[in-house]
Amino acid sequence: DAGVIQSPRHEVTEMGQEVTLRCKPISGHNSLFWYRQTMMRGLELLIYFNNNVPIDDSGMPEDRFSAKMPNASFSTLKIQPSEPRDSAVYFCASTYQETQYFGPGTRLLVL
Amino acid sequence: SQELEQSPQSLIVQEGKNLTINCTSSKTLYGLYWYKQKYGEGLIFLMMLQKGGEEKSHEKITAKLDEKKQQSSLHITASQPSHAGIYLCGAAPFDQKVTFGIGTKLQVIP
Repeated sequence: DAGVIQSPRHEVTEMGQEVTLRCKPISGHNSLFWYRQTMMRGLELLIYFNNNVPIDDSGMPEDRFSAKMPNASFSTLKIQPSEPRDSAVYFCASTYQETQYFGPGTRLLVL
Repeated sequence: SQELEQSPQSLIVQEGKNLTINCTSSKTLYGLYWYKQKYGEGLIFLMMLQKGGEEKSHEKITAKLDEKKQQSSLHITASQPSHAGIYLCGAAPFDQKVTFGIGTKLQVIP
């Protein structure tokens, strides 16, 4: 298996632009998590899905952030409009038998 | 929410030395994950501990879970440069919502 796939790996955008991050979980995994990692705050859970249904989005910082999982093999995290403080590494992870498998992350820089 | 405190926050050791990283939870631990992260990369699963007193080993890395103390420790024997990275502990409550500590940055000097 290719593991969790995230795209793009790097994204540089200007403040105010829309940013869409994509994730393909490992086939057969029924839970998917979006995390954000910064030096100051460490790894923060943003939202997680179970069987494509959002279970807990209390970690989503603002209404500018939204996440969808239209099917078991794809999820998106969208930021609109983006701000410089959104600069971070965004990770997607899927779960199998209580173990989380992380993607390589998307490094986002908002100028 | 469950909070995890890791200590130390950073560690520099000479190659060949042993080291220990601790993870303390503010609430009861139903299970605990240890992950390693290389700079600029994703997290790599090391091991999961579920029962009090449980101890697991992977190569030269050993982790223990002390439920009563709500604490876990990760011990590396005879450290090597390949052990360098950030080690994160994650609490695994029953509802799957794993929360993570801030991480411990380990440098191993050859």
